[in-house]
Amino acid sequence: DTEVTQTPKHLVMGMTNKKSLKCEQHMGHRAMYWYKQKAKKPPELMFVYSYEKLSINESVPSRFSPECPNSSLLNLHLHALQPEDSALYLCASSQGILGSGVGANVLTFGAGSRLTVL
Amino acid sequence: SQQGEEDPQALSIQEGENATMNCSYKTSINNLQWYRQNSGRGLVHLILIRSNEREKHSGRLRVTLDTSKKSSSLLITASRAADTASYFCATGTYNFNKFYFGSGTKLNVKP
Repeated sequence: DTEVTQTPKHLVMGMTNKKSLKCEQHMGHRAMYWYKQKAKKPPELMFVYSYEKLSINESVPSRFSPECPNSSLLNLHLHALQPEDSALYLCASSQGILGSGVGANVLTFGAGSRLTVL
Repeated sequence: SQQGEEDPQALSIQEGENATMNCSYKTSINNLQWYRQNSGRGLVHLILIRSNEREKHSGRLRVTLDTSKKSSSLLITASRAADTASYFCATGTYNFNKFYFGSGTKLNVKP
């Protein structure tokens, strides 16, 4: 299995809702990422988990709450979002093994979850 | 962008022509990668070049890296309509779980 699976593909939520985005990989990768991408812009790094521990938070507002329940799963919990948070949310994974070769640095992306906040 | 800029922002060529896009970045890097994104989809890894390499080839792709200028270029030879997509460079730092993307080049290959 060489895929990263993201669900749901589309999500519409109100500003008072609580929802979650899910990401799953079964490649044995030990680093997992959340990126946010607005239209016609590059992906922006939000969070990195390494060995199921949060290692990087790019000063993301607390209304986004990541969770890594195990080495295969990554969630992004959403609460009290704003319309400007509407975007494509991309999950990615990499081998993430310190000291290993080229493969450790290559990101495998999911197809994304398109979020619309009303 | 979080890391750097790409140019041109958009490129339109005829099938069979070569396409060149450039990436400039800001910090010291461990490697530089190129990714492709079809409209509204996830990104797909194309090629990686390490900081101690100057040029790398993969099929119709040729990547160069100049660390003194903090720049890279991606050349796609003999382009096809199926190459139509956005192309992003991404830099990996010595904290190697941190990957930042350039601003991207939108390539349109006309049949």
